[in-house]
Amino acid sequence: DAGITQSPRHKVTETGTPVTLRCHQTENHRYMYWYRQDPGHGLRLIHYSYGVKDTDKGEVSDGYSVSRSKTEDFLLTLESATSSQTSVYFCAISSSADTQYFGPGTRLTVL
Amino acid sequence: GDSVTQMEGPVTLSEEAFLTINCTYTATGYPSLFWYVQYPGEGLQLLLKATKADDKGSNKGFEATYRKETTSFHLEKGSVQVSDSAVYFCALSDPSGSRLTFGEGTQLTVNP
Repeated sequence: DAGITQSPRHKVTETGTPVTLRCHQTENHRYMYWYRQDPGHGLRLIHYSYGVKDTDKGEVSDGYSVSRSKTEDFLLTLESATSSQTSVYFCAISSSADTQYFGPGTRLTVL
Repeated sequence: GDSVTQMEGPVTLSEEAFLTINCTYTATGYPSLFWYVQYPGEGLQLLLKATKADDKGSNKGFEATYRKETTSFHLEKGSVQVSDSAVYFCALSDPSGSRLTFGEGTQLTVNP
C-alpha cells in the first residue's frame, strides 16, 4: 500500500469553526489531491497540487483552501465550516499524474 | 467537459454468478481509463486500468477492455465471491493525466 495517512480520521465540529485536515505521504510523489465523497456524487475533486506551493482548484473548491509547504504534506482548510461540508474527505497521491493512490479518509461532521 | 456514467446500483448477485458493471464515458482526446474498488470503511484502491484503445486491464479475476468505438470500459468477472462485495468506481484521466473524473459508483453485494 502507498504510504498515505490522513488526520484526523474522524472529526465533529460546529458551524462557523475553522477545520484543517492533513494528508501526509512517505512516497515522495509529486501530485496530491483532495476529494470529497457524498452519496449520489461519487468522488469530486476539491483541490490538487502538482508540487510544493503549486496548487489548483477542482470542481468543488468554494469554501476550501489548501497549502503545500513540503512535498509530504497537503493541508485542506475549511475557513468557516458549514453543514454542507459534512462529508468523507479523501487524499490521493500520484507520481505520474495518472494512477492515483488513496488514503483511508476523514469523516467530517459539521453540526 | 469529461464525464463518466456507470450503471445504477445496487447490484446483488449470488456467489459464482457472472458480473458486468457498465461504464461509458465522454472525453476529449484519449484518456486513460480506470476501475477503482472501495471496501467498507476504506479508501479507494486501484483495481485495473487501460491506457489506450483495445487495451485490456485485468486484476484479481476482473477484466475491462477500452472500447474507443463505443466509449465504454465495462467491468466483468466470471465468478464473483462474497469478498468482492464493495463499491466500484469507473474513472478517466484528463488529457494532461493530472486529474481524474469519477462515475458515481456501483454498490455490489454478493450473497453466499
